[in-house]
Amino acid sequence: TQLLEQSPQFLSIQEGENLTVYCNSSSVFSSLQWYRQEPGEGPVLLVTVVTGGEVKKLKRLTFQFGDARKDSSLHITAAQPGDTGLYLCAGASNDYKLSFGAGTTVTVRA
Amino acid sequence: DTGVSQNPRHKITKRGQNVTFRCDPISEHNRLYWYRQTLGQGPEFLTYFQNEAQLEKSRLLSDRFSAERPKGSFSTLEIQRTEQGDSAMYLCASSLDGPGDRGYTFGSGTRLTVV
Repeated sequence: TQLLEQSPQFLSIQEGENLTVYCNSSSVFSSLQWYRQEPGEGPVLLVTVVTGGEVKKLKRLTFQFGDARKDSSLHITAAQPGDTGLYLCAGASNDYKLSFGAGTTVTVRA
Repeated sequence: DTGVSQNPRHKITKRGQNVTFRCDPISEHNRLYWYRQTLGQGPEFLTYFQNEAQLEKSRLLSDRFSAERPKGSFSTLEIQRTEQGDSAMYLCASSLDGPGDRGYTFGSGTRLTVV
């Protein structure tokens, strides 16, 4: 059982559309990270959020950490085919272990 | 810096055989982690080293699994008497400190198939 629930599991959109991926848990985390993973490769860190209510922007990607530090969202504006991949959220419950969600597979069609 | 290197990238083995994977972390990183990822799931924590000390081992790691980091640099993960359920991507990651702002740096993984 994954500690973090991600939704939706799959998302297929047309280039130029917006999308939002959600990450929810009943647990409180000291920090939460988002990674992107391509087939046959390891996850690559996109962002870390630490403070409840924090919003971080990375070009067309906007990350938000819930006020209670239990949930997070990732919003992509004007998606491009290069955004295709598996998006994973991961929560840190201590100073070394990350618990990952099952991921959201995003496909952006040209 | 060449990042985290894992070898081999792919391994096909017959059930009952032993396999060993190697991970070379980023040189200045004192923390090293092993995770396992099966199809449709996120990575699951297996074990954690700080320098050469193995500080936590998940209950997912049965007695058939052993990990070492003898000199606090590279690490090996050995699976004895492999079973079909061991088929997965084995990911190694390293970090300078806790997840914090810089997170983990993952390797490309070793894909194990047990036939």
